Amino acid sequence: SAVISQKPSRDICQRGTSLTIQCQVDSQVTMMFWYRQQPGQSLTLIATANQGSEATYESGFVIDKFPISRPNLTFSTLTVSNMSPEDSSIYLCSVVTGGNPYEQYFGPGTRLTVT
Amino acid sequence: GENVEQHPSTLSVQEGDSAVIKCTYSDSASNYFPWYKQELGKGPQLIIDIRSNVGEKKDQRIAVTLNKTAKHFSLHITETQPEDSAVYFCAASNAGTSYGKLTFGQGTILTVHP
Repeated sequence: SAVISQKPSRDICQRGTSLTIQCQVDSQVTMMFWYRQQPGQSLTLIATANQGSEATYESGFVIDKFPISRPNLTFSTLTVSNMSPEDSSIYLCSVVTGGNPYEQYFGPGTRLTVT
Repeated sequence: GENVEQHPSTLSVQEGDSAVIKCTYSDSASNYFPWYKQELGKGPQLIIDIRSNVGEKKDQRIAVTLNKTAKHFSLHITETQPEDSAVYFCAASNAGTSYGKLTFGQGTILTVHP
């Protein structure tokens, strides 16, 4: 497995502002993903973070709202732009390592509250 | 796209009893089925998984079974302990064409009473 850290762990933000969440892995990974978990709900995939190219977004998620960067094989950022209270969620990054192409590991999450 | 249904939404058992959580999936091309445990304030933790070429897999007190014909899979926890209390999520993916993309069930809140 891999050790995954996220910053910040939690934040309270005002509507209309943006927040950038960082995901750092202790080893190079083949794939990185960003998920959203709304309060009391399941996890929904936002996008696949592609190293050196634009992220691949799932239906219902757009780059203008959730810009993603992945400059190398161990780091990615997700920005939540022009936030509204509906963006209050836990945002999680996950990774697939080269050791096992199936197993996906999650970071601890960033708990975002928008007021 | 894939759709995963999970039942029950809540499950309450006495310590030492067994717990079973069931999931069904819609896409017959799905071939990888992991289970995650999420404790309060933490990210999901992979606890066991099964691939479509296997019907059952066991790891100590937890086991997963897969019925490809019926498109359902189940998590079995035996000799439950209070520390098993958490939210459990099943998921499905087609590792061939949708590499790494997991579709999650709605989750089951498991409470183990001492």
